[in-house]
Amino acid sequence: AQSVTQLDSQVPVFEEAPVELRCNYSSSVSVYLFWYVQYPNQGLQLLLKYLSGSTLVKGINGFEAEFNKSQTSFHLRKPSVHISDTAEYFCAVSEGYSSASKIIFGSGTRLSIRP
Amino acid sequence: EAGVTQFPSHSVIEKGQTVTLRCDPISGHDNLYWYRRVMGKEIKFLLHFVKESKQDESGMPNNRFLAERTGGTYSTLKVQPAELEDSGVYFCASSQDPRATGGIYGYTFGSGTRLTVV
Repeated sequence: AQSVTQLDSQVPVFEEAPVELRCNYSSSVSVYLFWYVQYPNQGLQLLLKYLSGSTLVKGINGFEAEFNKSQTSFHLRKPSVHISDTAEYFCAVSEGYSSASKIIFGSGTRLSIRP
Repeated sequence: EAGVTQFPSHSVIEKGQTVTLRCDPISGHDNLYWYRRVMGKEIKFLLHFVKESKQDESGMPNNRFLAERTGGTYSTLKVQPAELEDSGVYFCASSQDPRATGGIYGYTFGSGTRLTVV
């Protein structure tokens, strides 16, 4: 069975500092990986996704993630964060390639940016 | 285009009462999903509609939850009777037929309904 582990429930970071949000997954088959973000009082928004190809994936708002099959990880990074990045971030996995596949989410990481 | 819309945004009800959540997907999206996040835990899949048919309801917690999608448009999720452990945020998402999008992954989530059972 698939599962996703986000190792940090909260990450406080100073503005303009780099950040890495960690995600590990388990699955017996090939997976497709995602990072979603939920800003305060908004819905879930797709940040980026890995389906195949290059293991370094670039998303919106300057975020990127690297798929590491041997370590079963998909960590999210940003070189310099802004106050506006304050949100909750969810790592997710799907075994299906199509839009008809359900997603398994991690428990989320709250990113708080200090000025 | 309008996004996925959920009503109400917040609901506070007493234990034992009934609550109905509504989701309006993006027009033309055949796939509609319900997810739930309870008490800061992970977001969990509840069920998946393809048009008006339930494709997968393996995540529905028990028979107090009833989901419908009459006519293949909007969907409702009814909780009857509500229990304290039902409190959480209920998300709806929709997506097109992957054949229409070349298989490209495209979920769109709503803002969620925050349900509090007291």
